[in-house]
Amino acid sequence: GAVVSQHPSRVICKSGTSVKIECRSLDFQATTMFWYRQFPKQSLMLMATSNEGSKATYEQGVEKDKFLINHASLTLSTLTVTSAHPEDSSFYICSARDPGQGGYEQYFGPGTRLTVT
Amino acid sequence: AQTVTQSQPEMSVQEAETVTLSCTYDTSESDYYLFWYKQPPSRQMILVIRQEAYKQQNATENRFSVNFQKAAKSFSLKISDSQLGDAAMYFCAYRSAPGGGADGLTFGKGTHLIIQP
Repeated sequence: GAVVSQHPSRVICKSGTSVKIECRSLDFQATTMFWYRQFPKQSLMLMATSNEGSKATYEQGVEKDKFLINHASLTLSTLTVTSAHPEDSSFYICSARDPGQGGYEQYFGPGTRLTVT
Repeated sequence: AQTVTQSQPEMSVQEAETVTLSCTYDTSESDYYLFWYKQPPSRQMILVIRQEAYKQQNATENRFSVNFQKAAKSFSLKISDSQLGDAAMYFCAYRSAPGGGADGLTFGKGTHLIIQP
């Protein structure tokens, strides 16, 4: 089956610094990837849709200058949290759509737990 | 915008029994996809079952089946012969059909399923 990896799985950073999270599709080419955020005991909220070679589309209320998304290749999308603050602490999950499987199924990465101190 | 509602924060069932998780949604679109995802303590999102709105036949995957009522905008998940490994958070999710709207998933708040041995 399709596999999506994320790195790192956990990261702790100091307030005011930036942190980058990578999302990779390992055995398929993903023209579209998605970034979700999940707060403790809550649901997943879509942050942005990342399309290879073009600008990401952000959901309403998500600061594009704070959450920088780059999808430079068909197998890699990155999310950079800039000037992180404690309220950015959350679980970030990426997913990728496999166009070879009809395009309607998303495969999820294992997530990255970000803690900002 | 589409919304997904899961009205049962928590459900408990005896091992080997049957349990039904409820989900309703609101949309003005006629074509879309619905999903049930399982999120165990590892937090890896696992696809349980999917349903295309244009298909009248309810989807089935082994012990998992859905009751899809398009007119009522209802999409419940039935788990038969519950097993200890079924214990997890279950999320109902909605996606527009390709070309029809947003590509990302809209999730409900989730139902925490407890399996009693």
